[in-house]
Amino acid sequence: NAGVTQTPKFQVLKTGQSMTLQCAQDMNHEYMSWYRQDPGMGLRLIHYSVGAGITDQGEVPNGYNVSRSTTEDFPLRLLSAAPSQTSVYFCASRLDRSNTGELFFGEGSRLTVL
Amino acid sequence: GNSVTQMEGPVTLSEEAFLTINCTYTATGYPSLFWYVQYPGEGLQLLLKATKADDKGSNKGFEATYRKETTSFHLEKGSVQVSDSAVYFCALSHMDSNYQLIWGAGTKLIIKP
Repeated sequence: NAGVTQTPKFQVLKTGQSMTLQCAQDMNHEYMSWYRQDPGMGLRLIHYSVGAGITDQGEVPNGYNVSRSTTEDFPLRLLSAAPSQTSVYFCASRLDRSNTGELFFGEGSRLTVL
Repeated sequence: GNSVTQMEGPVTLSEEAFLTINCTYTATGYPSLFWYVQYPGEGLQLLLKATKADDKGSNKGFEATYRKETTSFHLEKGSVQVSDSAVYFCALSHMDSNYQLIWGAGTKLIIKP
């Protein structure tokens, strides 16, 4: 049972480059989300999706783009990388948008922007 | 708005010591409350949860009680082990926040043998 799979685990970019962080889940979860984790700031929500074809912005969406063409996949695109986007990124999913559901996390993608 | 405040770390304890990590929240009504744990180099995983007042969540020797009167959800363990070293996150979920999890900043726990 793979759960939530993120790739790549590590990435170094130069300022201005673009890239896509991949996220896939095999649990048939409706809800998927992307967070960034920075020291002393906890987790901040970037974008989320409550089903295929539906996405919405979180707390810190600027500079990121998402799409949800299938239930399984939820890629995060950095359009023009900036040093401020250096962070650890986590994809997470849960069965639905309910109040009580467990959120399942991937192992994270560490991004460095030079 | 809704918010979660947890004690700053790092918290350093000796093995077999008693652990308390404080967590308080601000929200109207009755949010659901969660503790997640992040071991080094890994993603977060659910440790325990409580969905209504006076509920006690428990798992792996950890416990937390949903106290509506003090708006708290403190994490406790009677005897910690080196393997409990991790970062612990308190979080809430509420319809007013569109069921998005609201996270505390995390508390790093270091257990020395």
